[in-house]
Order: sequence, then structure tokens, then C-alpha cells
Amino acid sequence: GENVEQHPSTLSVQEGDSAVIKCTYSDSASNYFPWYKQELGKGPQLIIDIRSNVGEKKDQRIAVTLNKTAKHFSLHITETQPEDSAVYFCAASLNQAGTALIFGKGTTLSVSS
Amino acid sequence: GAGVSQSPSNKVTEKGKDVELRCDPISGHTALYWYRQSLGQGLEFLIYFQGNSAPDKSGLPSDRFSAERTGGSVSTLTIQRTQQEDSAVYLCASSPYARVDRGTDTQYFGPGTRLTVL
Repeated sequence: GENVEQHPSTLSVQEGDSAVIKCTYSDSASNYFPWYKQELGKGPQLIIDIRSNVGEKKDQRIAVTLNKTAKHFSLHITETQPEDSAVYFCAASLNQAGTALIFGKGTTLSVSS
Repeated sequence: GAGVSQSPSNKVTEKGKDVELRCDPISGHTALYWYRQSLGQGLEFLIYFQGNSAPDKSGLPSDRFSAERTGGSVSTLTIQRTQQEDSAVYLCASSPYARVDRGTDTQYFGPGTRLTVL
């Protein structure tokens, strides 16, 4: 089955710096890759996702890149702000309805001002 | 509009007792998922519902775990004879469609139920 590895497990940056979180997956059939942000005591919230027909997607300060050949994808946050501090999870699944998401173990991002 | 809601938010129980966790998905969402989040771990898939049927129960860790969904809406996850290793946050997610030709739709998560088994 699918296995998703996520690195780093913790990441500390200064406000205004960029943050990059990387994930690798094992199942070459996976073609849907969402990223979730989870704040303390809350459920995960989708921040961006990418499907295998594109290599990069941007939404304001957030971007995701996908390399299907290498089976890895990354989250890039630019101009980080203290409110970006949270746990970020990557996930992978088949691009089919009703498919479970396989999650990485999460990255705790701390942005200090 | 209202998001996914779960109840209770916290549940403390004694080893060996049964517990029921409830999920109210976003109105109109046909697909519903249960995940488990253990301390220091990622989210682990448990079961998926399409309407009231569960095509994929592959993630349920043992036969002590069961789930049902009624009226294509509310879902209940039941854990019988709870064990300490069942302690975790149980998350429910729903998505609007479950048609193969549409591909995967965004899964919207609830706040979770934190279960502690003493």
C-alpha cells in the first residue's frame, strides 16, 4: 500500500523567511496530493492540493510542487507570519472518489517574530 | 455554512467500556470518512462511507471497532471493550461527491473527539 514520508518533523523560521516541507510517496498510482494545516485543538484544514496533471500550483503565499518521476512533492510558504505556526500534513491518494488519504506524520512549523 | 461537527469533543472512559462517537457531516455531502490521530502519529484511515454503505472498512484496527451511517447523514463510530491503545483523537471528514469520474473531492474535517481510555 501507499506510504508517505514527511520531512522535517519540526521547522523553526523567522517571520518573513520561507518554509519548505517535503514529502515522498511510494505508490506511483497516487495522483492526488493535498496539504492540510492543523492548529491546536482543531481538525485539519485543507490549504492547497495538487493533482498529477500539473507540476506546480500557487495560492498567494503558498505553493506546492510535484515531481511524479521522483515521487515527491513539496509545500512552500513564503513571507511566513506567526499565524502560519501550526502542524502541516501532506497526504497522497488515488484520484478516485471515496479513496482514503494516506498522511505523512506532520511537520510542526514555528514562526517567530 | 456549518462545517463538520463531532461529539463529544472529549471522552474519558474506563478500559473495557464501550464508547460511541458521533459525526455530523456537512449537509449534502455523500462521502464520509473516519480517521484516527494518535499522539505523535499522522492520521490513520479507518473507514469510508458512500451514502449509508461502507465500501471500504480496511482501516478498522480490530473487530471491536464498527461504524454505521443512517439517512446518508450522521455517522456513529463504536468502540467496544475499549483498550488503552484506543486513546487517540478520532476525526471525521466529509466530501461532497463520490463519483468515480469526478476524482477525489476535498475532504473537510471536523474538530475531532479526543478519547482517553484509563
